[in-house]
Amino acid sequence: NAGVMQNPRHLVRRRGQEARLRCSPMKGHSHVYWYRQLPEEGLKFMVYLQKENIIDESGMPKERFSAEFPKEGPSILRIQQVVRGDSAAYFCASNGIGSNSYQETQYFGPGTRLLVL
Amino acid sequence: AQTVTQSQPEMSVQEAETVTLSCTYDTSESDYYLFWYKQPPSRQMILVIRQEAYKQQNATENRFSVNFQKAAKSFSLKISDSQLGDAAMYFCAYSRYTGANSKLTFGKGITLSVRP
Repeated sequence: NAGVMQNPRHLVRRRGQEARLRCSPMKGHSHVYWYRQLPEEGLKFMVYLQKENIIDESGMPKERFSAEFPKEGPSILRIQQVVRGDSAAYFCASNGIGSNSYQETQYFGPGTRLLVL
Repeated sequence: AQTVTQSQPEMSVQEAETVTLSCTYDTSESDYYLFWYKQPPSRQMILVIRQEAYKQQNATENRFSVNFQKAAKSFSLKISDSQLGDAAMYFCAYSRYTGANSKLTFGKGITLSVRP
């Protein structure tokens, strides 16, 4: 059973460029969460999506950041016009709804390390 | 808003000994879920243990167990027979729900080192 997949694992961008981060949830999971981890910090919730719907984006910065989870394909976190402060590790997690804790607990991908030069 | 506090930034334990990592949280809810995640140098987030607030019995997973004190809003992790592979950052996390809309609130983490 493949885990949560994220790519790329490392991404380097120059200021002003766009960053696209991809996340494929675990098989059987239909809920995706994005978190950001700044250096020496814990993870901070950004956005929660189900297929074709953004359910909770209360942690997303108001500008430059967007997320989607299309009917087909991975979830995408998009950062436009990146700045140095966007340098961080971005983690995706997935879960589902079911009758056991395995289905409902969030499992994390390996993260994407974004470095903005 | 819910908050999770891990006040000890670092801890150290001798191999084969026992260590306890502390966590407190704040919530006005009576039903919720608590977690400990491990983040080794690879930075992969690994679920260690999960506790449902409605359960009085403390969760246990092999060498890992929790001391859940609901009234005190305390959720500590005990690692028995510590191994070198336990060296990592450990994050305590809170979630109001499980399944749908179960976003996690994390503490700042504790760096655990294991001395051979």
